Amino acid sequence: AQKVTQAQTEISVVEKEDVTLDCVYETRDTTYYLFWYKQPPSGELVFLIRRNSFDEQNEISGRYSWNFQKSTSSFNFTITASQVVDSAVYFCALRSGSQGNLIFGKGTKLSVKP
Amino acid sequence: DAGVIQSPRHEVTEMGQEVTLRCKPISGHDYLFWYRQTMMRGLELLIYFNNNVPIDDSGMPEDRFSAKMPNASFSTLKIQPSEPRDSAVYFCASSDYSGRRETQYFGPGTRLLVL
Repeated sequence: AQKVTQAQTEISVVEKEDVTLDCVYETRDTTYYLFWYKQPPSGELVFLIRRNSFDEQNEISGRYSWNFQKSTSSFNFTITASQVVDSAVYFCALRSGSQGNLIFGKGTKLSVKP
Repeated sequence: DAGVIQSPRHEVTEMGQEVTLRCKPISGHDYLFWYRQTMMRGLELLIYFNNNVPIDDSGMPEDRFSAKMPNASFSTLKIQPSEPRDSAVYFCASSDYSGRRETQYFGPGTRLLVL
């Protein structure tokens, strides 16, 4: 069975703090894809990043970075020097190679206060 | 490209009425997905299509829900009759898996309230 766990329901930080959002996944497939999506208060789902199971290289995009570790089945997301505009719900998702749809975690609500 | 287009953006209806949600996927995408988001259950798949053919409808709650994709550029999700527990945000997403582009892109969602 496939499963995504985001243990942190809500996180509150003060602007300029660094924050890490955790994601742990379960799958028996050897080929799979991991995603992060952002859902701002306006409600849309914005794609942030995709990683496939054969690429464990960490990625940095501006203030965002992602740490993919197959050994611990984790795909964590770090925001450096957080800003108020980062306030949103962040979803981690898994797509196993044998199926088409995404399995989402419950989401982590991030509040960045000025 | 215009992205995934959904209509209406908001729908308020009374219990027992028929509701039709519409989706236009990104041009060239061969997969289309319908998801539902609620506070209790989070984001869950309802059904998805590949080349207009339904592949997995195991997430469709019951016979009151039906989905169609008559062509590559249009899909509908119908609820008949609607019930208050159907109140949720319904997202449509599309993807180009055959082109090895694995990302699903989501529409803005339809916020449905059944009174």
